[in-house]
Amino acid sequence: AQKVTQAQTEISVVEKEDVTLDCVYETRDTTYYLFWYKQPPSGELVFLIRRNSFDEQNEISGRYSWNFQKSTSSFNFTITASQVVDSAVYFCALSEVLATDKLIFGTGTRLQVFP
Amino acid sequence: GAVVSQHPSRVICKSGTSVKIECRSLDFQATTMFWYRQFPKQSLMLMATSNEGSKATYEQGVEKDKFLINHASLTLSTLTVTSAHPEDSSFYICSARVLRDTEAFFGQGTRLTVV
Repeated sequence: AQKVTQAQTEISVVEKEDVTLDCVYETRDTTYYLFWYKQPPSGELVFLIRRNSFDEQNEISGRYSWNFQKSTSSFNFTITASQVVDSAVYFCALSEVLATDKLIFGTGTRLQVFP
Repeated sequence: GAVVSQHPSRVICKSGTSVKIECRSLDFQATTMFWYRQFPKQSLMLMATSNEGSKATYEQGVEKDKFLINHASLTLSTLTVTSAHPEDSSFYICSARVLRDTEAFFGQGTRLTVV
């Protein structure tokens, strides 16, 4: 069965702190995609990153970075020097390419960045 | 990224009436659209997958006759909540993608309140 676990329900930090959001997944497939989305209070889902199971290279995009480790089935997301605008709910998701391609979401982590 | 527009963003309806939610891909043709439901402070759960010109595929536990999905063109999918009841109150969000192996883009979501 496919499953995505985001153990951190809520995280609060002060501006400029670094914060890491954890994501652990389960799948029987060898080919799959992992995603991170941001959901601000307005509700829409903002795509942040997609990573396929064959690419374990870490990625950095500005203040955002992602650490993909197949050995521990984790795809963690780090925000460096957090800002108030980073406050949102962040979802990790899994898509099995050989199945229906539907996204299986984790329960989300609510990040609050205080000034 | 591509733009997916969802309308209306908020709707309040009386119990027993039907509500239609539209999901449009504005700058691309979407071969597949997905409909998700999100309860307050919870994750997104896939309701159904619709491919243009064919019947939608519903997830287990989702009532086909209650949640009617139509994907009549490559740019429009609609979700109709028939005979709505207060327990149908939720945040409904659609996503659309062009092809397999590409990420799906999400609409802004529709907050439905049934009174």
